[in-house]
Amino acid sequence: EAQVTQNPRYLITVTGKKLTVTCSQNMNHEYMSWYRQDPGLGLRQIYYSMNVEVTDKGDVPEGYKVSRKEKRNFPLILESPSPNQTSLYFCASSSSPGTGSVFTQYFGPGTRLTVL
Amino acid sequence: AQTVTQSQPEMSVQEAETVTLSCTYDTSESDYYLFWYKQPPSRQMILVIRQEAYKQQNATENRFSVNFQKAAKSFSLKISDSQLGDAAMYFCAYRGPYYGGATNKLIFGTGTLLAVQP
Repeated sequence: EAQVTQNPRYLITVTGKKLTVTCSQNMNHEYMSWYRQDPGLGLRQIYYSMNVEVTDKGDVPEGYKVSRKEKRNFPLILESPSPNQTSLYFCASSSSPGTGSVFTQYFGPGTRLTVL
Repeated sequence: AQTVTQSQPEMSVQEAETVTLSCTYDTSESDYYLFWYKQPPSRQMILVIRQEAYKQQNATENRFSVNFQKAAKSFSLKISDSQLGDAAMYFCAYRGPYYGGATNKLIFGTGTLLAVQP
């Protein structure tokens, strides 16, 4: 089954304790992104990747890091989480131009993060 | 900068009736992509329908259809024969042309919460 998986689904942590949210897709997609969802703001892009070892900032990158060492994985790293990073996080992937489903982004199930 | 506006925070529809959710956007591009995503209580983001701006024909997917008005920059979603399972938050999203879109970013509206009354 084609899917994007995220772990953990729920996480409660304390300020300053480093954490990683994993994301993996099995569709051989080149493009991957991280979004955060906050009430009244919709979803906003944090970071994106066009392919292995190619990553760049989205609209709200402060306080986050990413890496893309393998095509299927795109982990989100919070080096020193703060309460304003409490949010619902989504990983998404899509194929590159030239395919039938170009730019349709497929989302993971979301990770609910609470930083105390 | 591109923006997406959903002016209806909440809507309600009777089961089996038809409802239309509104979305407007702002862009200077002529080539782009528009999407409607559904987010049920499970929080999963589910693609409902997609429209390429270069296509004049409105997209349809079973009970879901769009009214794409390019000149007016409007992209409304019509749900026919509403079902209880249609109750969810609906997000309109915009994606720019790929030649300038290395970010592959979706720009989302703030969502419309749809309730379906039995």
